[in-house]
Amino acid sequence: GENVEQHPSTLSVQEGDSAVIKCTYSDSASNYFPWYKQELGKGPQLIIDIRSNVGEKKDQRIAVTLNKTAKHFSLHITETQPEDSAVYFCAASLPMDSSYKLIFGSGTRLLVRP
Amino acid sequence: NAGVMQNPRHLVRRRGQEARLRCSPMKGHSHVYWYRQLPEEGLKFMVYLQKENIIDESGMPKERFSAEFPKEGPSILRIQQVVRGDSAAYFCASSLRDGNTEAFFGQGTRLTVV
Repeated sequence: GENVEQHPSTLSVQEGDSAVIKCTYSDSASNYFPWYKQELGKGPQLIIDIRSNVGEKKDQRIAVTLNKTAKHFSLHITETQPEDSAVYFCAASLPMDSSYKLIFGSGTRLLVRP
Repeated sequence: NAGVMQNPRHLVRRRGQEARLRCSPMKGHSHVYWYRQLPEEGLKFMVYLQKENIIDESGMPKERFSAEFPKEGPSILRIQQVVRGDSAAYFCASSLRDGNTEAFFGQGTRLTVV
């Protein structure tokens, strides 16, 4: 089955700097890659997603890149702010047998220092 | 449009009791997913349901766990004879349709077994 690896597990950056979180997946048939932000005590919130027919997608300070050949995708946050501090999860979706379950990475705890 | 609603937010059960977790999907969504999150870990897929149908329960433990999504009312995740190891946050997500569409998560139910 699909396996998603996420790095780093923790990331500390100075406010205003950029943050990059990387994920790799194992099954080349995966075709949907969302990123979620989870704040303490809350549910995951979708912040951006990308599909396998696109190499890059950007939404204001957030961008995601996908390299299908290497089977990895990355989240880029520019001009970080303290409110960006949270746990970020990448995920991959493998369409098999009518199930589109998400396989999550283990998460990256991002701390933005003021 | 209210988001995914889960209740209760917190649930404490003694070993051997039953736990019932409820999830009302977003309006118009007919696809429901349940995920479990252990402390400091990512989310693990449990089950995918459509109205009155279990589509994929490959992530559900074979015993004590069951899920339903009736024609009317919320989706229910039931855990019978709970044990300490069942303590976790249980998240429900809903989507408008299958096929790698956006999945929106609820706030979760934090189950503590004492």
